[in-house]
Amino acid sequence: DAGVIQSPRHEVTEMGQEVTLRCKPISGHNSLFWYRQTMMRGLELLIYFNNNVPIDDSGMPEDRFSAKMPNASFSTLKIQPSEPRDSAVYFCASRLRAAGEQYFGPGTRLTVT
Amino acid sequence: DQQVKQNSPSLSVQEGRISILNCDYTNSMFDYFLWYKKYPAEGPTFLISISSIKDKNEDGRFTVFLNKSAKHLSLHIVPSQPGDSAVYFCAASASSSGSARQLTFGSGTQLTVLP
Repeated sequence: DAGVIQSPRHEVTEMGQEVTLRCKPISGHNSLFWYRQTMMRGLELLIYFNNNVPIDDSGMPEDRFSAKMPNASFSTLKIQPSEPRDSAVYFCASRLRAAGEQYFGPGTRLTVT
Repeated sequence: DQQVKQNSPSLSVQEGRISILNCDYTNSMFDYFLWYKKYPAEGPTFLISISSIKDKNEDGRFTVFLNKSAKHLSLHIVPSQPGDSAVYFCAASASSSGSARQLTFGSGTQLTVLP
């Protein structure tokens, strides 16, 4: 199994631009999570999906952030417009069952200048 | 309010000795605990877990201890190896959330194993 796949691995963009991060969960996993890691706040959950349905988006910082999961094998996290304070590493993770562990992708390092 | 706390941001240990990483939690609903290891430029990888019905779980060189009354868990690595140098995250979840359960992470401890 290839594990959780994220793209791009690195993204550098200018303030005000739209950014789209992509994630392919492990096949068969029915839960998907988006996290953000910063020095100040550590690893924080942004949103997660069960069976492609968003369950809890209370961690999404602002309306500029949106996430979709159109099918079981693909999810996107979009930031529009991006701001320098959005610079962070964004991780996607998937999980097979509620009681199981989460498997993380390699992350996308986003830099907004 | 940090529900999962790792109060030591860093720890250095000599190769071959024991590494002990600590984690405290405040939410009494947490009943499942995990440790993740993270190398630079990689995502966290699952290491070991423990359910609240146990007080110890062992996997090779890694042992997790849970003290429910103190709301404290620890990860022991014996013997420590240079390849163990990484950031270790403690995480917790509550089964009462059912399928909506999610992980709450601590801030991490950077372990450095000196050769």
